[in-house]
Amino acid sequence: AQSVTQLGSHVSVSEGALVLLRCNYSSSVPPYLFWYVQYPNQGLQLLLKYTTGATLVKGINGFEAEFKKSETSFHLTKPSAHMSDAAEYFCAAHTGTASKLTFGTGTRLQVTL
Amino acid sequence: GAGVSQSPSNKVTEKGKDVELRCDPISGHTALYWYRQRLGQGLEFLIYFQGNSAPDKSGLPSDRFSAERTGESVSTLTIQRTQQEDSAVYLCASSLAASRGYNEQFFGPGTRLTVL
Repeated sequence: AQSVTQLGSHVSVSEGALVLLRCNYSSSVPPYLFWYVQYPNQGLQLLLKYTTGATLVKGINGFEAEFKKSETSFHLTKPSAHMSDAAEYFCAAHTGTASKLTFGTGTRLQVTL
Repeated sequence: GAGVSQSPSNKVTEKGKDVELRCDPISGHTALYWYRQRLGQGLEFLIYFQGNSAPDKSGLPSDRFSAERTGESVSTLTIQRTQQEDSAVYLCASSLAASRGYNEQFFGPGTRLTVL
């Protein structure tokens, strides 16, 4: 069965510092991979996705992620954190044949001054 | 155009009561999904509808949970005889036809259910 693991339920960074949120997947076939962001009391918003092609994908708000098949990873990064980035981030996978997304447990990002 | 909408936004109920949660998908989206988000946990898939095909109910946690969808429009998720462990945010998503490959799922704001 497919699974998604996010290391670190809480991550705190200073404003202007690098953001790194980790995601590893377990799948018998390379899945499609996604990062979603959830702001308080709001639904999930797609940050970026990897389907095929270039392994470094850029998303909204300056975020990017790199698909590394050899490491079964899809870590999310942003060079310089902003206070508005404080939210919960979810990594998700889809095999392309199943109907559902499989989500990680989420990482809450805190940005401090 | 409007996004996915859900109602109510919040629902407080007593243990043992039945509840109905509603989802209005984006117009033209034939696929509709329900997920559950418990406090401190990721989203759990509950059920998936695609057009007139039989729904994928593989994620429903018990027979107290059921869902219906009329054609390619509104869906309702019903929880009978609610239990405290049913307390969660219930999220609905819709997408264009789910075929080989992937179509982006657009999520609604969710319904926060609290069972006392």
